[in-house]
Amino acid sequence: EIVLTQSPATLSLFPGERATLSCRASQSVTRYLAWYQKKPGQAPRLLIHDTFNRATGIPARFSGGGFGTDFTLTISSLESEDFAIYYCQQRYKWPLTFGGGTTVEIK
Amino acid sequence: QVHLVQSGAEVRRPGASVKVSCKVSGYSLTEMSVQWVRHAAGKGPEWMGGFDPDDHETLYAQRFQGRLTVTEDTSTGTVYMELRSLTFDDTAMYYCASLEVVPAAVGLTGWFDPWGQGTQVTVSS
Repeated sequence: EIVLTQSPATLSLFPGERATLSCRASQSVTRYLAWYQKKPGQAPRLLIHDTFNRATGIPARFSGGGFGTDFTLTISSLESEDFAIYYCQQRYKWPLTFGGGTTVEIK
Repeated sequence: QVHLVQSGAEVRRPGASVKVSCKVSGYSLTEMSVQWVRHAAGKGPEWMGGFDPDDHETLYAQRFQGRLTVTEDTSTGTVYMELRSLTFDDTAMYYCASLEVVPAAVGLTGWFDPWGQGTQVTVSS
């Protein structure tokens, strides 16, 4: 199965700062990578699919990039509601797999 | 718009089974691919199984083969997930989710959207 490794494990930033999260795949997933946001007590929320396509209602401050094995999720200017855990997920092949997550916390 | 509502929290002893339901509204089950994903504290989410988007047969992650069964009742629009021979490691939040089905390099895969609200399953002696 394809293993997704996310880094860093934790990102401590001030509101207004830029956040850059990384997801690395154990083999190429071409552009078939999604990102989710997870807050306590809530289900995961789809942010981005197929590397750079924002889901419905997702603000433009969220952007994704990459191809093959290396991907990034960027939050251009952190808002208070953005402090959460972020997970990547590949859909290149079954089984669909997720990364271990990056926590974005308030500094 | 698809909406998924799950059954309530469960507590089980080791070795027991649990069955969680997921009621779907806004779309026909036969035209969807509902999946089950669990999320243990401190770990990444884990896809467990669901309905293969290619042929609507059940599809399971290898590690759950033999102790996981996913079924559906199209008359009520409800999908069920039954996990048997529970251990402490099965303590997690269990989610049903609709797979947004799209072509992949080979066959069909997708991303998960939307999700049910989650069902906490706790295995405790």
